[in-house]
Amino acid sequence: GAGVSQSPRYKVTKRGQDVALRCDPISGHVSLYWYRQALGQGPEFLTYFNYEAQQDKSGLPNDRFSAERPEGSISTLTIQRTEQRDSAMYRCASIDGRGAAGELFFGEGSRLTVL
Amino acid sequence: GQNIDQPTEMTATEGAIVQINCTYQTSGFNGLFWYQQHAGEAPTFLSYNVLDGLEEKGRFSSFLSRSKGYSYLLLKELQMKDSASYLCAVRYAGNNRKLIWGLGTSLAVNP
Repeated sequence: GAGVSQSPRYKVTKRGQDVALRCDPISGHVSLYWYRQALGQGPEFLTYFNYEAQQDKSGLPNDRFSAERPEGSISTLTIQRTEQRDSAMYRCASIDGRGAAGELFFGEGSRLTVL
Repeated sequence: GQNIDQPTEMTATEGAIVQINCTYQTSGFNGLFWYQQHAGEAPTFLSYNVLDGLEEKGRFSSFLSRSKGYSYLLLKELQMKDSASYLCAVRYAGNNRKLIWGLGTSLAVNP
C-alpha cells in the first residue's frame, strides 16, 4: 500500500479480554517495528521483524504480549488477558531495508483502551 | 545506559529561530534521527545525521558532534504549523535496527 496501515484505529475492551492489532506495512518493506507510545512521550520499542523473522522482542513488557509476521508482510500484535495498564497508542513502522538512512515510516496507530 | 536527553518544552515566536538540543551516550553510536510529531498524528521523518556537521533541508537543519554526543535541530522562520513535538532517536551499532528514542520536545510557536 501507499503507507503503513493499522487497524483498528480505536479499540475499547474490557479487562481480561484478548486483543489483536494489525499492521500492514508499505509494500516491499523488509523491516517492521512495533512501538507503544504514551501521551507526551517518545515511542517505546516493543519488537521488530526482518521479513518473517522476529529479530528482537526485548521490549515486549511480559508474556501476555506476542507478535507475528508469518509471511513477511502483515503483522499482528496480540495482547492476552488485557490489563488497564496496557492502555496506550500502539504504533507500527516499517523500513524498506535498502535506504541508507533507514527512515522509519509510521502508521496512524491503534489506540487501545482497557476498561 | 543509552539515555537520550532533550528538553521537555520550548516556546518561540513566529518568524524566529529555535534550536532544540539532544544529547546521547556515544558508545556504539551509528546514526541520529529527528522526527516531527503533531498532536494525535504519527511521527514523520525530518533528518538523519551519521557524520559530524550540519545537514540543511529548507527551513530545518540538523547538526551532529559525535565526539560530544550532541545534536541539535534548528528551525528557522518559524511558522505556527511548526508547533509540534520533536523527537530525537539514536541508532546504536550491533542493534542498528532498534532506535532509542528521546521523550520529545514540545515546541509551541506563538504569534
